[in-house]
Amino acid sequence: DQQVKQNSPSLSVQEGRISILNCDYTNSMFDYFLWYKKYPAEGPTFLISISSIKDKNEDGRFTVFLNKSAKHLSLHIVPSQPGDSAVYFCAASANDYKLSFGAGTTVTVRA
Amino acid sequence: DAEITQSPRHKITETGRQVTLACHQTWNHNNMFWYRQDLGHGLRLIHYSYGVQDTNKGEVSDGYSVSRSNTEDLPLTLESAASSQTSVYFCASSERRHTDTQYFGPGTRLTVL
Repeated sequence: DQQVKQNSPSLSVQEGRISILNCDYTNSMFDYFLWYKKYPAEGPTFLISISSIKDKNEDGRFTVFLNKSAKHLSLHIVPSQPGDSAVYFCAASANDYKLSFGAGTTVTVRA
Repeated sequence: DAEITQSPRHKITETGRQVTLACHQTWNHNNMFWYRQDLGHGLRLIHYSYGVQDTNKGEVSDGYSVSRSNTEDLPLTLESAASSQTSVYFCASSERRHTDTQYFGPGTRLTVL
């Protein structure tokens, strides 16, 4: 049973606009959340993370929001750029070093 | 620069053959992980290790084994390859804490005919 879910397999956005990626989780023991970005034929690369003691973390154009009561997190990319076209994976950890991943969302940024 | 490498990058094998995928990291990380990526499933954990001589099963470990004889390497062995094991395999490593970032290798695309 998948504990981390990304219900939107794809997202298309115009360059310069905001991209919003969503992620839901079911395991209340998760206390650390991450987003990874993956280009074709490459391994995933770490993008941004958030601890359960926070509700927002920002790094440049990327912001992650965490709503613990709803077991929901989102990634905002503002403004979206062509180089942001990739697959984005949401992941979560429960203090045991292992990561549970969502199925991924493919983002396409249109010029 | 420290890095994590995987070999081979592509492999085609036949059903029933034993296959070993190599993973090597130069960060001196304690933790190492093997995942497989399949469409619709994201990355699923196969096996992981918290240090030398330590190995643990992940959520999809059937048909796979690992051994950790040193810090740098965690080879993944498919004892008798099956077509269901056709996938892209990623190795990752991290330091000691669970909030430490996992760094991923470039992946191995395995096809079992």
